Amino acid sequence: QKEVEQNSGPLSVPEGAIASLNCTYSDRVSQSFFWYRQYSGKSPELIMSIYSNGDKEDGRFTAQLNKASQYVSLLIRDSQPSDSATYLCAGPGSARQLTFGSGTQLTVLP
Amino acid sequence: DGGITQSPKYLFRKEGQNVTLSCEQNLNHDAMYWYRQDPGQGLRLIYYSQIVNDFQKGDIAEGYSVSREKKESFPLTVTSAQKNPTAFYLCASSFRPYRDRGLVEQFFGPGTRLTVL
Repeated sequence: QKEVEQNSGPLSVPEGAIASLNCTYSDRVSQSFFWYRQYSGKSPELIMSIYSNGDKEDGRFTAQLNKASQYVSLLIRDSQPSDSATYLCAGPGSARQLTFGSGTQLTVLP
Repeated sequence: DGGITQSPKYLFRKEGQNVTLSCEQNLNHDAMYWYRQDPGQGLRLIYYSQIVNDFQKGDIAEGYSVSREKKESFPLTVTSAQKNPTAFYLCASSFRPYRDRGLVEQFFGPGTRLTVL
């Protein structure tokens, strides 16, 4: 089993809708998770960090961590075409280093 | 301006040639990392360094080498032993991992796209 696994997508939502991205992980002790956004041909950009169980909101973005079910999610409210990108989930992996999911490609349709 | 720089942006390698990718940061971060990304895939860790003069292999270190002589710099050499080096190479840095709340955020440079001719 991969240490950090994302629903593969791709995901398409209409402009203004809520986009929901999910990630599951295998390390029960994990405390820290991160969401990165990567535009085509560019490097990943950190958009959210979450360190404790529950929700964390930042503008249109909400990260949710559920330790009991071992998943972390990212909700994007009022999705905009500029949100179209690949979203990478990252969490602790082997050797106590960050490990990345394979990414979910999101397209927001005008 | 604080940040991470990588050079060159594009690099072409001939068969049997070693090439070195540059990574510099002025964020005063202790830790630096090299990742490789292949099309449609996530990032895979090549090497990382948490302190000057020390570095560790990641998941795919074979065919690569690094050095960490200065806190600000972490160059990656892709050797001729790496049989499939065509990929997008990303350097990242962070404060030292496992502060009191576990792993910390990593910040990425703009990347180097390496192509084998």
